[in-house]
Amino acid sequence: LAKTTQPISMDSYEGQEVNITCSHNNIATNDYITWYQQFPSQGPRFIIQGYKTKVTNEVASLFIPADRKSSTLSLPRVSLSDTAVYYCLVGRNTGRRALTFGSGTRLQVQP
Amino acid sequence: NAGVTQTPKFQVLKTGQSMTLQCAQDMNHEYMSWYRQDPGMGLRLIHYSVGAGITDQGEVPNGYNVSRSTTEDFPLRLLSAAPSQTSVYFCASSALENYGYTFGSGTRLTVV
Repeated sequence: LAKTTQPISMDSYEGQEVNITCSHNNIATNDYITWYQQFPSQGPRFIIQGYKTKVTNEVASLFIPADRKSSTLSLPRVSLSDTAVYYCLVGRNTGRRALTFGSGTRLQVQP
Repeated sequence: NAGVTQTPKFQVLKTGQSMTLQCAQDMNHEYMSWYRQDPGMGLRLIHYSVGAGITDQGEVPNGYNVSRSTTEDFPLRLLSAAPSQTSVYFCASSALENYGYTFGSGTRLTVV
């Protein structure tokens, strides 16, 4: 199973850009990098996924260096509603590299 | 379009009882998984399926059974409930092997 390491918690203020970095040294050639957001008492919500370089959608950007051993989720201009736990996952949906969740990063956004 | 529907939302069981957690999706997704989340922890994979008739074990399969007779349904059976199985259970589905999951709202299970 692919292991990931991310900060346990982060604090930010409204309007700031937040970057959460995830380390995944044993990423395999066919693995994808996926980020989820989870609010209390809810299931995780898919944010963004990438394989290499940069991916951007309406919610976030994902930066992946050439060696793919880490990735950075960037949330532009966070608001109070972005307070949540963010999970970085590496792998695929099946097989020996089926997606497993770590403990995630708890982001607290202050007014 | 309901997405992923889990029932029941809450359940209390006595030790040794058995029950089935239901999961249904209406998106024609091939890939489905069951996760459990203990308080303050991340999610752990119990079982997953890549299509009707095909299931496999995840990280923590002991004490649980699954079957996938249709594309839409992926029930999780607790064989003999134990207090250690007190957790929130999430079902998820995905259209592709390398695409993000859609999660249900969860079933909160307490075993006393």
